[in-house]
Amino acid sequence: GQNIDQPTEMTATEGAIVQINCTYQTSGFNGLFWYQQHAGEAPTFLSYNVLDGLEEKGRFSSFLSRSKGYSYLLLKELQMKDSASYLCAVNTGFQKLVFGTGTRLLVSP
Amino acid sequence: IAGITQAPTSQILAAGRRMTLRCTQDMRHNAMYWYRQDLGLGLRLIHYSNTAGTTGKGEVPDGYSVSRANTDDFPLTLASAVPSQTSVYFCASSGLAGDEQYFGPGTRLTVT
Repeated sequence: GQNIDQPTEMTATEGAIVQINCTYQTSGFNGLFWYQQHAGEAPTFLSYNVLDGLEEKGRFSSFLSRSKGYSYLLLKELQMKDSASYLCAVNTGFQKLVFGTGTRLLVSP
Repeated sequence: IAGITQAPTSQILAAGRRMTLRCTQDMRHNAMYWYRQDLGLGLRLIHYSNTAGTTGKGEVPDGYSVSRANTDDFPLTLASAVPSQTSVYFCASSGLAGDEQYFGPGTRLTVT
């Protein structure tokens, strides 16, 4: 079976740093994606990791450890507009993505 | 450039009725996907197509069918709608299967 775990909800303050964790146990692994989804909108692509290590893209970074089945998304210098759900998704090797249930991030002033 | 469009934006449908959700992309992507998103369950893959002329079943295919007659269009049909199919439906595409996916704006479907 496929299992992807993320915290349901997190809160943080504007200007702070937040780390959203994702652990996975899947039948195969061909890469891990992070998507952002604002309420009532479509998911949008944030990052992709296929090898171990950190990928940095502006205020957002994503880390992967394949041996531990673990990834995190790091958001720096939080802004109010970062309030959204963050979805972790694994390419299980059959060219299909399996999504976690998402982490809702609330950023307060 | 529109990207991916979906129609209708929302629909209320009586149980037992047939309904086709439309999806069109103008990015010449090979792969296309249909997901449903339900509170607490996340995005679940219904059907996918790696290239025009081929389709495959995802995690929750029962009650749904798809076709991929050309590169741009990927309609999803509910042959006889049931209330458990009330959901938000997203169409997505990627250049190649396994690449990052681009999502349409979604269709909110309510089956009564």
